[in-house]
Amino acid sequence: EAGVTQSPTHLIKTRGQQVTLRCSPISGHTSVYWYQQALGLGLQFLLWYDEGEERNRGNFPPRFSGRQFPNYSSELNVNALELEDSALYLCASSLAGQAHYEQYFGPGTRLTVT
Amino acid sequence: GESVGLHLPTLSVQEGDNSIINCAYSNSASDYFIWYKQESGKGPQFIIDIRSNMDKRQGQRVTVLLNKTVKHLSLQIAATQPGDSAVYFCAEKGSGGSYIPTFGRGTSLIVHP
Repeated sequence: EAGVTQSPTHLIKTRGQQVTLRCSPISGHTSVYWYQQALGLGLQFLLWYDEGEERNRGNFPPRFSGRQFPNYSSELNVNALELEDSALYLCASSLAGQAHYEQYFGPGTRLTVT
Repeated sequence: GESVGLHLPTLSVQEGDNSIINCAYSNSASDYFIWYKQESGKGPQFIIDIRSNMDKRQGQRVTVLLNKTVKHLSLQIAATQPGDSAVYFCAEKGSGGSYIPTFGRGTSLIVHP
């Protein structure tokens, strides 16, 4: 069974630009989560999508947004990139509707903003 | 505020030794805890979890201990191997029905052959 996949693997952008990251969950998983992992820091929760709707949002500015498609894949969009947005962006998926769950992570997209 | 943190940023051990990675949490309402392993260049991988109604849970070569009195969590790895070298994160499930875990900063485990 294929795991969570993310694209692209690496990305270099200039400050002020916009970026779109993509995630495909494990087959059968309807929940997708996005995290930011800056160097030396823990995972910071960005967004949670389930059944096409945004269920929860972390403490990030509105220029971080996303969506989930009918096939449960997801995109994370970051507008007006800033240098501090440089980080590893991780996507995870899980079965929905479970209070105690296991999240399966993808390999991440390494974003560098110059 | 609520937080999950780790006591040591780096732990170095010899191959074959037992490793103990510690984690403190501050939200007494947390009812579910998870340990993840993140190898270089990869996403975090689930290792083991424990619910707040348990004190101990064992997996293959790993044991998680939960002390709710002092809000402390530990991961014990028996007979540590070079392949165990990675960053280990503890996470707590948010309270109030939130399904979003809060992650600690991580401990880097280095296993010397």
